[in-house]
Amino acid sequence: EAGVAQSPRYKIIEKRQSVAFWCNPISGHATLYWYQQILGQGPKLLIQFQNNGVVDDSQLPKDRFSAERLKGVDSTLKIQPAKLEDSAVYLCASSPRPNQPQHFGDGTRLSIL
Amino acid sequence: TQLLEQSPQFLSIQEGENLTVYCNSSSVFSSLQWYRQEPGEGPVLLVTVVTGGEVKKLKRLTFQFGDARKDSSLHITAAQTGDTGLYLCAGSNSGGSNYKLTFGKGTLLTVNP
Repeated sequence: EAGVAQSPRYKIIEKRQSVAFWCNPISGHATLYWYQQILGQGPKLLIQFQNNGVVDDSQLPKDRFSAERLKGVDSTLKIQPAKLEDSAVYLCASSPRPNQPQHFGDGTRLSIL
Repeated sequence: TQLLEQSPQFLSIQEGENLTVYCNSSSVFSSLQWYRQEPGEGPVLLVTVVTGGEVKKLKRLTFQFGDARKDSSLHITAAQTGDTGLYLCAGSNSGGSNYKLTFGKGTLLTVNP
């Protein structure tokens, strides 16, 4: 089966600019996750979707980050405006149901200048 | 907030050596997962342990879940260069649709030829 697809793979922007990431989960996976992985750390959950509804966004900095999964399939994560500390790899993962193993994409590496 | 401490943070060994990495917490988890992440890629699930005291083997890798379900270890026998990568442990607590993984910071393993 095709894996989790993410784009772009790399993005370089200046602080205060905006950026968007896209994720296409594995077909049929109802649960979708966005993680932030800062260099030298493990992934940190930003937001979890079940179909097109948000289950957990408690660690999402809502003043600058937003995410949507309008049709319950693809998802986008946006940062506006970006700060230097947002430099990280943004990983998308999906699973058939919440308590099933998560499959990760290869991530988008974001660098803020 | 549940925290997972992984040790050592870095490990560099020669091919053929044995090693053990640890994942410790003061919190109880309903299950614990081990992932390996290679540069430029997302984490890949190696194993899930659920029962206290459980031992699982995956070829040269042996995973153990502590009796109290607060800690885990990963032992690699006769390490190979292909074992190089970031080893992440992640704990979960069943919460219906709000199933969440908490990741440790990882152990970066380098196996030298």
